[in-house]
Amino acid sequence: GEDVEQSLFLSVREGDSSVINCTYTDSSSTYLYWYKQEPGAGLQLLTYIFSNMDMKQDQRLTVLLNKKDKHLSLRIADTQTGDSAIYFCAEDGSSNTGKLIFGQGTTLQVKP
Amino acid sequence: EAGVAQSPRYKIIEKRQSVAFWCNPISGHATLYWYQQILGQGPKLLIQFQNNGVVDDSQLPKDRFSAERLKGVDSTLKIQPAKLEDSAVYLCASSLERAKNIQYFGAGTRLSVL
Repeated sequence: GEDVEQSLFLSVREGDSSVINCTYTDSSSTYLYWYKQEPGAGLQLLTYIFSNMDMKQDQRLTVLLNKKDKHLSLRIADTQTGDSAIYFCAEDGSSNTGKLIFGQGTTLQVKP
Repeated sequence: EAGVAQSPRYKIIEKRQSVAFWCNPISGHATLYWYQQILGQGPKLLIQFQNNGVVDDSQLPKDRFSAERLKGVDSTLKIQPAKLEDSAVYLCASSLERAKNIQYFGAGTRLSVL
């Protein structure tokens, strides 16, 4: 079946690196995504990775994918207070319809 | 480029009442999604449209929920009658293509059922 799991909460100090982890079950996913949700707002796409890649870097964001262990991580370098939000991992699974399966979200708290 | 528009932003109703939500996707986006996000959880797909046709409505509680996208642009999602467990944020998203599925989300409608 399709399932995505994330840890619920992460607290870091401003300037430190944050690492948010995610595990998924559907090995046939083509793309995996990271979305950010600020209070009262919709989801904003941060980055995505194609399933045959191991790593993708985009400015302060680094995505690592371990397809064997079905493990995805998002590293935010030099974390700022504006990064405080809920981060969702998502996979597109095996449906071929474009449907996304989301994790329950990780709340990132950045302390000044 | 305008984003995905949703209205209303907030709605409070009593159980057994009816409610409707509206979504206007990004211009040119053929695929439109409605998600339900219960507090503390990730979004869960309710229904997906490709133009004005339904692609996936397997998770839509069809005894009370309905959705339409008559002209392949705007969409409405209706709940009739509402139950307490329908309290959630209803998110609309749209995408240009299904491969490399970059979905753009609206701000959502927060529904409280009392």
